[in-house]
Amino acid sequence: NAGVTQTPKFQVLKTGQSMTLQCAQDMNHEYMSWYRQDPGMGLRLIHYSVGAGITDQGEVPNGYNVSRSTTEDFPLRLLSAAPSQTSVYFCASSFGREAYEQYFGPGTRLTVT
Amino acid sequence: AQSVAQPEDQVNVAEGNPLTVKCTYSVSGNPYLFWYVQYPNRGLQFLLKYITGDNLVKGSYGFEAEFNKSQTSFHLKKPSALVSDSALYFCAVRPSANQAGTALIFGKGTTLSVSS
Repeated sequence: NAGVTQTPKFQVLKTGQSMTLQCAQDMNHEYMSWYRQDPGMGLRLIHYSVGAGITDQGEVPNGYNVSRSTTEDFPLRLLSAAPSQTSVYFCASSFGREAYEQYFGPGTRLTVT
Repeated sequence: AQSVAQPEDQVNVAEGNPLTVKCTYSVSGNPYLFWYVQYPNRGLQFLLKYITGDNLVKGSYGFEAEFNKSQTSFHLKKPSALVSDSALYFCAVRPSANQAGTALIFGKGTTLSVSS
């Protein structure tokens, strides 16, 4: 099993550009989530999904969209990048429909200039 | 508001000494509690969890944590620290809500530095 994979590992965007961060898991987990990690702020939940076709907002959803068309994939879209979105983004998944013992991807480091 | 606090930004210990990383929480009901570790430039790795039962739970790499309901704490401990334990540690809590999708709430993290 590859676990949770994320692409790209690094990305630099200009203000106003859009892009999609990819996340995939091969563990047949129903629960998937996106976090951003900023120094001194821990991890903050952006969006999550409890199964294909079901998504919901977390603590900091503004400026981000998600969709869940399959169990495996949970892409995060930045609609119009802003410097405040410079962060490290982590995707995580867990068994069942709960935020239980989560498995994290390696992260995407995004810089918006 | 539901929250998790890690009162120490950094904990410094000498190799071979016991270590404690503190965590307190404020959530409704009986929470599920977790500890994760993050090594530089890596994602978080699960260490251990408390759901119910014995207040002392054991996890990976010789770590353990003690759930104290009266003090609403879940401190991470290890009897003898190793230099390789140096990392960023996160406490997380999930309220034991019945609905699906209840998210984890993470603390801000504590950097553990073990010196040789």
